[in-house]
Amino acid sequence: NAGVTQTPKFQVLKTGQSMTLQCAQDMNHEYMSWYRQDPGMGLRLIHYSVGAGITDQGEVPNGYNVSRSTTEDFPLRLLSAAPSQTSVYFCASSRSQIRGSGPLHFGNGTRLTVT
Amino acid sequence: TQLLEQSPQFLSIQEGENLTVYCNSSSVFSSLQWYRQEPGEGPVLLVTVVTGGEVKKLKRLTFQFGDARKDSSLHITAAQPGDTGLYLCAGGTYDYKLSFGAGTTVTVRA
Repeated sequence: NAGVTQTPKFQVLKTGQSMTLQCAQDMNHEYMSWYRQDPGMGLRLIHYSVGAGITDQGEVPNGYNVSRSTTEDFPLRLLSAAPSQTSVYFCASSRSQIRGSGPLHFGNGTRLTVT
Repeated sequence: TQLLEQSPQFLSIQEGENLTVYCNSSSVFSSLQWYRQEPGEGPVLLVTVVTGGEVKKLKRLTFQFGDARKDSSLHITAAQPGDTGLYLCAGGTYDYKLSFGAGTTVTVRA
C-alpha cells in the first residue's frame, strides 16, 4: 500500500530558484493538503483542496502555488525560494474533511533547505 | 499565533510512570485529533473525538475532549519506551481546515 507519496525526500535550493514538490495518493481521497513543519511551531497549513479543480489558501500561503488537476496529485510550487522557506513539507490526504474530522494520512515529508 | 497551545513542550519520564499532555485553545472546534510522529516520518493518527466531554481509550492511552470543545488531554498510563515520540493535537473546523498545536516531545527512558 503506497498511501501518500512525496518526492523528493531532500532538496537544496539557492535563493530565487523555483521548484515543485510532488505529492500523489492512491486512496481516491477527495481532500488533500500541504503543511510545513518548523521547530517549535508545529504544522502550519499552506494550501488545501477539497476535490479536483478546487484549491484554497491555508494559514501561510504566500510564496506557494498549488493546482489539483486530478484526484491523485497535488503538487506544491515554490515560485522564488527564500531562506524563510527552509522547512519540512508534508502532504496529507483524507476521504473528506466535513467538520474537520477526517483523519489525515501523511506522506513522509520533503526536507527543503534554501541557501 | 498558535491557535492550539500544547503543554508541556517537552516531557521526559521513566518507564512505568504516567504522563498527561494538554491541548488548549480559546476557539471551539468541531473535532479534535491526536497524532504521534516519529523522527523522519509523517504524523500518524491516534484518535478523533467529536463530542464535548467525550472520552476514548486506546490501550494505555486515554483521550478526553473538553465539555466546551476548546481543550483536550492525552493521558498515558505506565508509559513504555515505545511511547516515545512527538504528540500533536489538531483542531478541526467546519471550513475544512485542521490546525495543529506545536507538539509535545515525549521521551520514555527504559
